[in-house]
Amino acid sequence: DAGVTQSPTHLIKTRGQQVTLRCSPKSGHDTVSWYQQALGQGPQFIFQYYEEEERQRGNFPDRFSGHQFPNYSSELNVNALLLGDSALYLCASSLLADTQYFGPGTRLTVL
Amino acid sequence: EDQVTQSPEALRLQEGESSSLNCSYTVSGLRGLFWYRQDPGKGPEFLFTLYSAGEEKEKERLKATLTKKESFLHITAPKPEDSATYLCAVYISGSARQLTFGSGTQLTVLP
Repeated sequence: DAGVTQSPTHLIKTRGQQVTLRCSPKSGHDTVSWYQQALGQGPQFIFQYYEEEERQRGNFPDRFSGHQFPNYSSELNVNALLLGDSALYLCASSLLADTQYFGPGTRLTVL
Repeated sequence: EDQVTQSPEALRLQEGESSSLNCSYTVSGLRGLFWYRQDPGKGPEFLFTLYSAGEEKEKERLKATLTKKESFLHITAPKPEDSATYLCAVYISGSARQLTFGSGTQLTVLP
């Protein structure tokens, strides 16, 4: 049984560019959440998708947007990248509000 | 404001030296408390879920307990492979869709 997968593993962008990160949930899960983790900190909640809609959003600007597809996979888009967006981006899947299982993450570096 | 605080920030133990990690929370209504293990550069790995005060869960050398104000992760006779960052997170009432994390405890077990 495949767990949560994310792509790409690493990404380097420059300020002002746009980036798209992808996530496939664990088999049987219908909910995808995205988190940002800065070095030495705990993950910070960005938003959660269920039934192809954003159900809850954390304290992140509109530059961060997402999408969920009918097969439950999800994308995170970040526009107008800033240096401060450099972080590990984590995707987690669950059955609604049950335990969240995390993927390996995408390391984004903004130069 | 809802808060999750973990202590200590870092802990160094000799192999076989048992200890405990603390997670204290001030939230408006706890719906679940989660422990994760995170290795450097990887996504958090789920360990335990606790829902009510007095509940305990065990897995190999780890045991998690919950009171009305805090949770402990007890590590018995740790081994070097237990070295990792241990993260505590909560679901709160009215926001059961997002995990709020502490900053973690970085555990190092020396051979």
